[in-house]
Amino acid sequence: GEDVEQSLFLSVREGDSSVINCTYTDSSSTYLYWYKQEPGAGLQLLTYIFSNMDMKQDQRLTVLLNKKDKHLSLRIADTQTGDSAIYFCAESPRTALIFGKGTTLSVSS
Amino acid sequence: DAGVTQSPTHLIKTRGQQVTLRCSPKSGHDTVSWYQQALGQGPQFIFQYYEEEERQRGNFPDRFSGHQFPNYSSELNVNALLLGDSALYLCASSPPGTDPYEQYFGPGTRLTVT
Repeated sequence: GEDVEQSLFLSVREGDSSVINCTYTDSSSTYLYWYKQEPGAGLQLLTYIFSNMDMKQDQRLTVLLNKKDKHLSLRIADTQTGDSAIYFCAESPRTALIFGKGTTLSVSS
Repeated sequence: DAGVTQSPTHLIKTRGQQVTLRCSPKSGHDTVSWYQQALGQGPQFIFQYYEEEERQRGNFPDRFSGHQFPNYSSELNVNALLLGDSALYLCASSPPGTDPYEQYFGPGTRLTVT
């Protein structure tokens, strides 16, 4: 079946690193995605990783993939107050996106 | 270049009524997907339209139907509204032939059923 699990809440101080974790179930997903949703807004694609990669870095974002354990993480370096939002992990076994419930990141100054 | 646009922004309907939501994809995009996001939940896939046909459908009842027009815009129709249909409805569009298959989301339509 298709299911994506995420921890619901993360609180960090400005300047620290944030790590958001996700587990997924469908090993046929070619790509795995991270989306960001700010209050009252739609979803913004942050980054994605191809399923045969272990790591992808994109400026302050680092994605780690453990395909054996079906575990995905998103690290945000030097977290800023503007990073406060809900972060969604998504798998895509076909063309539809299957989302987790989202992790609310709260950044305090 | 305008992104994905949706109308209306907010909508209030009564239980049992019907509603139509609209979506215009990004320029150059030919595929439209619809998602329902209940409060505190992640988006759930409703269906996807490509070449004016429903290509894939999620686990939603037949009360949810859609349409794609020749200009690639799309409508989502919900009949016999239930209180549980209250949610943010998100439209996403995708360009042709990309790898990975990227979806760009609009701001959503907030539907409240009373």
